[in-house]
Order: sequence, then C-alpha cells, then structure tokens
Amino acid sequence: DADVTQTPRNRITKTGKRIMLECSQTKGHDRMYWYRQDPGLGLRLIYYSFDVKDINKGEISDGYSVSRQAQAKFSLSLESAIPNQTALYFCATSDLAGDTDTQYFGPGTRLTVL
Amino acid sequence: GQNIDQPTEMTATEGAIVQINCTYQTSGFNGLFWYQQHAGEAPTFLSYNVLDGLEEKGRFSSFLSRSKGYSYLLLKELQMKDSASYLCAVRDSNYQLIWGAGTKLIIKP
Repeated sequence: DADVTQTPRNRITKTGKRIMLECSQTKGHDRMYWYRQDPGLGLRLIYYSFDVKDINKGEISDGYSVSRQAQAKFSLSLESAIPNQTALYFCATSDLAGDTDTQYFGPGTRLTVL
Repeated sequence: GQNIDQPTEMTATEGAIVQINCTYQTSGFNGLFWYQQHAGEAPTFLSYNVLDGLEEKGRFSSFLSRSKGYSYLLLKELQMKDSASYLCAVRDSNYQLIWGAGTKLIIKP
C-alpha cells in the first residue's frame, strides 16, 4: 500500500463550487504539506503543518484553506473554485527526526475548474 | 527574490552520461534536493546535499558548491526509463523548499 494517498485522483468541477482534496499518510510523519504544480512552473507551497495544532500559510494560500484532522490526515479546501486553480495538487510529508527532513509525495490530484 | 534556474529540456542517448545543472539564489541555504518526476506522477526523492562535494548513489551522483550557488545531477549509463523531469529544490533560511521548474530529460535509443 502507498505511504501517502490522495483522494480523489481526478476531479472536474465548476466555477464557484466548494471542493475538498484529502491526504492520508501511514509514514508516521508529523509534517505535512500541500503544493500545486502548473506547467512550466516549480512546485508552489499552499499550506503546511508541522503537527496537528500547527497550520501555516505558504507562498500561495489565497483562495485555499486546510484542516489537519489528525497526524495522518491533512485536507485542502477550495472555498469557491475558479478556473486558474486548475492544476495538479500534491500532498507531501516529512519527518525532521529523519535528519534531512526529506519530503515524500502522494500521487497527486488533477483538478480542473470549468 | 529567490530563484532556482535549471535548463528546460535536455536530450541524451541511451547508455551515455548527462549532467543537469542547477543554480540558485536563495535567502539562506539549508540543503539541496534532487527529485525525479515522471509525467503525471509524483516527484520521488533522488539525493540530498548540504555540504560541498559529490554524493554518489548508484548510477546517480549529485554535486554541490555552496560558494557558487551551484549543483548538478549526473546520470550515468542512461536507460530509457530515465526519461523524466528532474527537479532541483533548495531549503532556505525559513526552512522552506524553493523549487526549480524542472528539467525534462529525453532519452533517445
């Protein structure tokens, strides 16, 4: 079984709809991240959480919100989706105790906003 | 501002060697990562450098010069499955990863 899972894998929605992307991990890591990836651009950080009670904005948090329901679960919400939020979204986890704090990624969610 | 530069695309021949360069300008430095990403898939970790020098891992090696703000990923004995994008990322003084746009590597038979 995959260590980091994301649901759904693909989603098509309409402008103005609220949607939620979910991420679960079995790696036992404290740190979790949400990124988006657009063609020709590097991964951009939306939100990150270093533990259940810690939530931090990333580079591009406007239009997004997150919830850390448990150590293993971190969900991303788009309150009112707009077409320029069409992108590939990745969840990642890391563990500072692992020395390098390397991030490990889920398989991604391809989101299309019409 | 913070910036990571990598070539957009490179082409190499199966069995050959290729070097993918990465230059960076960031607010602080706390390590540099290389990831491999096949089209439509998740990035997967390849290597980590925090001190100057070469780190070797099988067919892949990564080099870092902090004074020059420069790294490269060296791939030897190229195989068709190495066709992918290679992402360079630097951890800055705020402990955030700054990502390059990636280098698409095309392997020809």
